[in-house]
Amino acid sequence: EAQVTQNPRYLITVTGKKLTVTCSQNMNHEYMSWYRQDPGLGLRQIYYSMNVEVTDKGDVPEGYKVSRKEKRNFPLILESPSPNQTSLYFCASRRPLSYNEQFFGPGTRLTVL
Amino acid sequence: DQQVKQNSPSLSVQEGRISILNCDYTNSMFDYFLWYKKYPAEGPTFLISISSIKDKNEDGRFTVFLNKSAKHLSLHIVPSQPGDSAVYFCAASASGSSNTGKLIFGQGTTLQVKP
Repeated sequence: EAQVTQNPRYLITVTGKKLTVTCSQNMNHEYMSWYRQDPGLGLRQIYYSMNVEVTDKGDVPEGYKVSRKEKRNFPLILESPSPNQTSLYFCASRRPLSYNEQFFGPGTRLTVL
Repeated sequence: DQQVKQNSPSLSVQEGRISILNCDYTNSMFDYFLWYKKYPAEGPTFLISISSIKDKNEDGRFTVFLNKSAKHLSLHIVPSQPGDSAVYFCAASASGSSNTGKLIFGQGTTLQVKP
C-alpha cells in the first residue's frame, strides 16, 4: 500500500528538549516536504526536499532542521523546541510536478510545554 | 498576509443538498488550484484540481469553478452525503514554484452534512 508514515503520532515534551519526528514514504518519490497546521492559518510549508541531499526552506523554517540522506526518509528535527512550535505536523511526498498525487502522512500532534 | 483565504470556518448542510465551499486568493501568479479533504486524525487527501486555463472541472459529485477576474474559486458537492463531513482546504500554486512544490493553503472550512 502506498503510504507516508510519521512517528510519533502524538508527543508531549518540554522546552529545550531535542526531538525528531520521522517521516518515511514507500512510493520512491523524489519530492518530500513538511507542513505545520495551526488554527486560522491552514497548512504552512516548513522545509522541502527535491531529492537526496537537496533541501531548502519553506515559509516557516525557523527553529527546525531537516535531512535527506535516503530517498524514503525525511526527518524533522527540533533542536530546542519552544511552546510556539506546538502544532500539528504533516509530512508529504510526491513526484515532481504532480501536485495531484501529493500524499500526506497522518500527522504528528506535538505539544511543547 | 494570507494569500489564500477561506472566509467561512464552517458550513452545515442537509444530506442530499448542495454544499458550496468558497476560496479567494490575492496572488495573480497563482495558476493551479487544488482542494484537499481532511478527516480527523488523518492527513489531507487530494480531492480535485483546476488549472487557470479552465473555469470548471468536474469529477463525479465534485465540481470546482474558477473565476480568475474575481480571484475566486468554489467547490460544489452535489448531492452532499454524511461521509463528506470533513475539513476542506483550498490550495494554490504558481508555475514558478513547481520545483519547490510550494502549495499555499487556505485556513480550511469544516463541512458538516446532516442526515
